[in-house]
Amino acid sequence: EVQLVESGGDLIQPGRSLRLSCAASGFTFDYHAMHWVRQAPGKGLEWVSGISWNSRAIGYADSVKGRFTISRDNAKNSLFLEMTSLRVEDTALYYCARDKGTTFGYDPFDIWGQGTMVSVSS
Amino acid sequence: EIVLTQSPGTLSLSPGERATLSCRARQTISSNSLAWYQQKRGQAPRLLIYAASSRATGIPDRFSGSGSGTDFTLTISRLEPEDFAMYYCQQFGNPPLTFGQGTKVEIK
Repeated sequence: EVQLVESGGDLIQPGRSLRLSCAASGFTFDYHAMHWVRQAPGKGLEWVSGISWNSRAIGYADSVKGRFTISRDNAKNSLFLEMTSLRVEDTALYYCARDKGTTFGYDPFDIWGQGTMVSVSS
Repeated sequence: EIVLTQSPGTLSLSPGERATLSCRARQTISSNSLAWYQQKRGQAPRLLIYAASSRATGIPDRFSGSGSGTDFTLTISRLEPEDFAMYYCQQFGNPPLTFGQGTKVEIK
């Protein structure tokens, strides 16, 4: 079964750091670009970051650029999001999503995880 | 950044009726770079349509997409009870990738 399972979400204070993980299974992980998408409570979807299959192409939303870092470990079928200088407005459910293609900018997201919740509050 | 505006915000319809959802981009985007997703309450989004008009695997043929340039449409020909949900359009051809704000299809 094709599956993405996120972990690492937590309740955390503003200014602190957090690392999210996404474990992939049931498909050839390094055939696909991967993304993080977030959804604040009661709000719509916001693309956060994407990474190509070989990590050579990476992109970020302006709202997280310079604070978040996406990475992947193809040997471990895993995707990561390192989040620093967290703000209250980063509070959201963070989804891991698979790109249909090998790099982003050409294909939609065809597989989604169930998300991991990040709450930033003092 | 390419802004996508969806309308209407909410669509109130009865099962069996036709739903027409709009997604308008502030600048021209490639039809190959437009997708539609469905999200039910408490669930992750699901890909419905990509390249503006191609159905994703397993999507029933009552869902169809059309459009080009700046105007795109998702049509649900006859609403089934399971179709009442949120729908989002997305452009993925020009980073940063962006989503529309969503259209809620609710039971009238």
